[in-house]
Amino acid sequence: DTGVSQDPRHKITKRGQNVTFRCDPISEHNRLYWYRQTLGQGPEFLTYFQNEAQLEKSRLLSDRFSAERPKGSFSTLEIQRTEQGDSAMYLCASTAMGGPGELFFGEGSRLTVL
Amino acid sequence: GENVEQHPSTLSVQEGDSAVIKCTYSDSASNYFPWYKQELGKRPQLIIDIRSNVGEKKDQRIAVTLNKTAKHFSLHITETQPEDSAVYFCAASVSGGYNKLIFGAGTRLAVHP
Repeated sequence: DTGVSQDPRHKITKRGQNVTFRCDPISEHNRLYWYRQTLGQGPEFLTYFQNEAQLEKSRLLSDRFSAERPKGSFSTLEIQRTEQGDSAMYLCASTAMGGPGELFFGEGSRLTVL
Repeated sequence: GENVEQHPSTLSVQEGDSAVIKCTYSDSASNYFPWYKQELGKRPQLIIDIRSNVGEKKDQRIAVTLNKTAKHFSLHITETQPEDSAVYFCAASVSGGYNKLIFGAGTRLAVHP
């Protein structure tokens, strides 16, 4: 499968714990996005990378959230001191450079904070 | 701020009927408008998109129309089939470029045999 892959697919954690999600984009895609989706809502933009540079971060994202893409390939999204309100599906997407284009989404990582 | 509103939130049709979903956007610099279909437990997948220099685009039973003046765009599905049942999301690019999409809240379409 050469699509976007995310790991883990499901994560259950207790409030206050840290969690990390990984995204492997399609190999030739330079742009990588993280979105969050809650039940009954559309994907909400979190952050965007072009190669290894994080070019935009949503102001809705608290300081507990951090994302990296150290070598311009895979990316990680870490949530520190999780809260129940962080429970959601975290979607990663990638696309190639140059012009408008399809965002290829991964299957998502579902986080449940107890 | 940047916003995309989508209506209706749920839509129920009989097989063979048409379905129309409408979206409005706030950023006048938006120039790319995709539609995604998300089946239960699956990833969102692009079904059709339109750019700002085009007013209408068709792909078999699916069509999208864009009115830039009114900041409206719509998805039209003709001859609906049960497999069209899913949640549909519209989106609009923001900041005048193609780097970020803002999504609508989604429309749950149910096609009854």
